[in-house]
Amino acid sequence: DSGVTQTPKHLITATGQRVTLRCSPRSGDLSVYWYQQSLDQGLQFLIQYYNGEERAKGNILERFSAQQFPDLHSELNLSSLELGDSALYFCASSVQGGETQYFGPGTRLLVL
Amino acid sequence: AQSVTQLDSQVPVFEEAPVELRCNYSSSVSVYLFWYVQYPNQGLQLLLKYLSGSTLVKGINGFEAEFNKSQTSFHLRKPSVHISDTAEYFCAVSSTGFQKLVFGTGTRLLVSP
Repeated sequence: DSGVTQTPKHLITATGQRVTLRCSPRSGDLSVYWYQQSLDQGLQFLIQYYNGEERAKGNILERFSAQQFPDLHSELNLSSLELGDSALYFCASSVQGGETQYFGPGTRLLVL
Repeated sequence: AQSVTQLDSQVPVFEEAPVELRCNYSSSVSVYLFWYVQYPNQGLQLLLKYLSGSTLVKGINGFEAEFNKSQTSFHLRKPSVHISDTAEYFCAVSSTGFQKLVFGTGTRLLVSP
């Protein structure tokens, strides 16, 4: 158990819908990262937040957005969902200036 | 930009045999290197990491890796594998500082009796 929690574990929805994935970092970690794992793209970095502020952006679609709240939990919002958005979404966290990221168990999203 | 190449998509091996999973990286700056393991239907678990210092790094479950700067490699090894080591293994790189991880495509280790 890494100490990073993600909810829900599984999510099934339809095209065009909007979903919110939630992540709670390890106690004391200020940085949260979101990654997408799909069969065709592999593991890709989406976005990073540090202490409530967006720090870095990767291959994140405009239909996707994220935020980190004052209690440091983070949410990833996916809208206008397409079949190709079906994937495993991971959250990871690290301490301030920390080099090591610890991953949550992931949320498996299936868009039908 | 950084990139990671995992040369083998799948490595079959018999139980108690040694194994090496290969990883090469490309970067114009100093890097940190990581190996993560993903068991079926689970998240990513950190196996080991190289940040600085000794180039031979020991991790959990008997795994070790050697950082070779001249060959830009970070191969993962285990002298004797178990059935329970069957999983997907990912090599990853980040630039120094708390930066995003860039992952390789993964190597599936298949251990059979």
